Amino acid sequence: EVQLVESGGGVVQRGGSLRLSCADSDYSFSNYWMNWVRQAPGKGLEWVGNVDQGGNMQHYVDSVRGRFFISRDNTKRSLYLQMNNLRDEDTALYYCARDRHGHGDLDSWGQGTLVTVSS
Amino acid sequence: QSALTQPASVSGSPGQSITISCVGTSSDVGGEYNYISWYQQHPGQAPKLMIFDVSNRPSGISNRFSGSRTGNTASLTISGLQAEDEADYYCNSFRRASPPVYVFGTGTTVTVL
Repeated sequence: EVQLVESGGGVVQRGGSLRLSCADSDYSFSNYWMNWVRQAPGKGLEWVGNVDQGGNMQHYVDSVRGRFFISRDNTKRSLYLQMNNLRDEDTALYYCARDRHGHGDLDSWGQGTLVTVSS
Repeated sequence: QSALTQPASVSGSPGQSITISCVGTSSDVGGEYNYISWYQQHPGQAPKLMIFDVSNRPSGISNRFSGSRTGNTASLTISGLQAEDEADYYCNSFRRASPPVYVFGTGTTVTVL
């Protein structure tokens, strides 16, 4: 069973930076697109971005483009989210999720890591 | 990027069928791709994939859950409603744009009366 475990969340000041990690226990990690999805407290899901199997192509939602950067290390079966110039509205629970077929069908999710941006 | 539109809440009695709509545009839900998925989320838990590629169920998902699409509207139908179906539900679609993105719906709370 695929198990994704996020880490790196915490409290950060507005304008600060944070790097999230997601470790995958599945040896087929390198076969899949990987995604970051966030959920602000009491709110709905928001797709943040994704990265292709080789780490060569990334896509982002407009609100984070130029501030957030997704990368991966297939040798470590790990996914990363570098978040810079953090804003109040970035406060959320951040999930990593595996895209099973490359069609946005996210079949495995971690439990999330909480990022709180304080002023 | 604007979210897809879902009703805030839908309710039904045990055994009934309910349908949740997800309204988008010709650039996403109504587009040429069939990349529409549905997720169930219970409080305090991570989302769970229920439907992918408009109408396909992952292994282990009950056949009480079904998906469809007509024009710019996708739908999730839950038949034989059960207490355990009470949760939040989100649609998601690929959006043909430059660059391409995925977008979630606004979310629907299902209540079993």
